[in-house]
Amino acid sequence: DTEVTQTPKHLVMGMTNKKSLKCEQHMGHRAMYWYKQKAKKPPELMFVYSYEKLSINESVPSRFSPECPNSSLLNLHLHALQPEDSALYLCASSQDRGQTQYFGPGTRLLVL
Amino acid sequence: TQLLEQSPQFLSIQEGENLTVYCNSSSVFSSLQWYRQEPGEGPVLLVTVVTGGEVKKLKRLTFQFGDARKDSSLHITAAQPGDTGLYLCAGAHSNYQLIWGAGTKLIIKP
Repeated sequence: DTEVTQTPKHLVMGMTNKKSLKCEQHMGHRAMYWYKQKAKKPPELMFVYSYEKLSINESVPSRFSPECPNSSLLNLHLHALQPEDSALYLCASSQDRGQTQYFGPGTRLLVL
Repeated sequence: TQLLEQSPQFLSIQEGENLTVYCNSSSVFSSLQWYRQEPGEGPVLLVTVVTGGEVKKLKRLTFQFGDARKDSSLHITAAQPGDTGLYLCAGAHSNYQLIWGAGTKLIIKP
């Protein structure tokens, strides 16, 4: 089983809203990632968690706040987003850092 | 800046034709992944190549990793409309980060 699940699939939010994206994997992977993908572009890395600790923050604005409650779950908390933050948000996991990453189906986010 | 140049960026061919997509870099990768992505969906892993010179086959798809582990190719034989999609290569360094190609949008016309 190489499944990574993400909820919700679609999300529309206003600039004053607070929402959360969720990601789950049950493959025993110890590295989990958040990516942002704009149309016709490859994914851009946002955060990396390794063994439930944040190891990489690619200079992401503080309006994005990641959280790793346990080894299977990864959340991305959203607050005071801007319209330019509208994108496909992808979660991925790998056995360990640097190994093959498996992606979830993504959350399509629209900020109005 | 580490780059992975992917070509062509767009390819539209008739069903039954063959095609090759290339990914080239000046960097050495510990592994390289090929993904296929549908609009609005996450990338789906097709293959990981690790060893220089490695060739892997997935039905009509043949993946090759260069001897120096700096480049890779994807060859599709007798393309089918179901092969239509965005193909992405991503090279992995010994750290966590993937270096992505820009993608190849492939359209197979019936």
